[in-house]
Amino acid sequence: GAGVSQTPSNKVTEKGKYVELRCDPISGHTALYWYRQSLGQGPEFLIYFQGTGAADDSGLPNDRFFAVRPEGSVSTLKIQRTERGDSAMYLCASSLFASGSYNEQFFGPGTRLTVL
Amino acid sequence: QQQVKQSPQSLIVQKGGIPIINCAYENTAFDYFPWYQQFPGKGPALLIAIRPDVSEKKEGRFTISFNKSAKQFSLHIMDSQPGDSATYFCAASNPDSGTYKYIFGTGTRLKVLA
Repeated sequence: GAGVSQTPSNKVTEKGKYVELRCDPISGHTALYWYRQSLGQGPEFLIYFQGTGAADDSGLPNDRFFAVRPEGSVSTLKIQRTERGDSAMYLCASSLFASGSYNEQFFGPGTRLTVL
Repeated sequence: QQQVKQSPQSLIVQKGGIPIINCAYENTAFDYFPWYQQFPGKGPALLIAIRPDVSEKKEGRFTISFNKSAKQFSLHIMDSQPGDSATYFCAASNPDSGTYKYIFGTGTRLKVLA
């Protein structure tokens, strides 16, 4: 079966522009996570969805960042008024259940965002 | 208290050696500890994971050792190969409490020499 897919693989934008990053989770996975990874660092949690609702958005750095998952499958991470500091690899992960031991998160290949 | 401290930052071993990567945590509520392998330009791939009710878990050439009292866990790679050269991340979470996000360590860049 297909893994987690993310598009685009690379995105270059200018400071101040709006960007959308898309994530397609593994079919049947109810939980979806977004992480951000800066060069040489571990991934940092941004937001987690259980179904259509954002169950935990405590990692979003500010109100320029927003994510949706309207039908409980595909998710879009939206960044307004991009800043150079937003440049990073944005990773999406999904898991089958978000309870107990069924929390194995499977990551996509990421979207490399560069803000010039 | 949410941090996971990982060491060393980088590691070089000869082929066949046994690299060991260590992680430590403070939050005693963590109860799920996965390890991920990441190649340049790729997303992290799950290697092996452990719950604190066991002290050791093996999957193929990968072994996790867990010391609950010391709040430490480590990854051992047996008979390491050049293809194991990658960055390794430990992580921790507390799914039983409804907190499913992973807290990742800072990563260990491993190079296995042929």
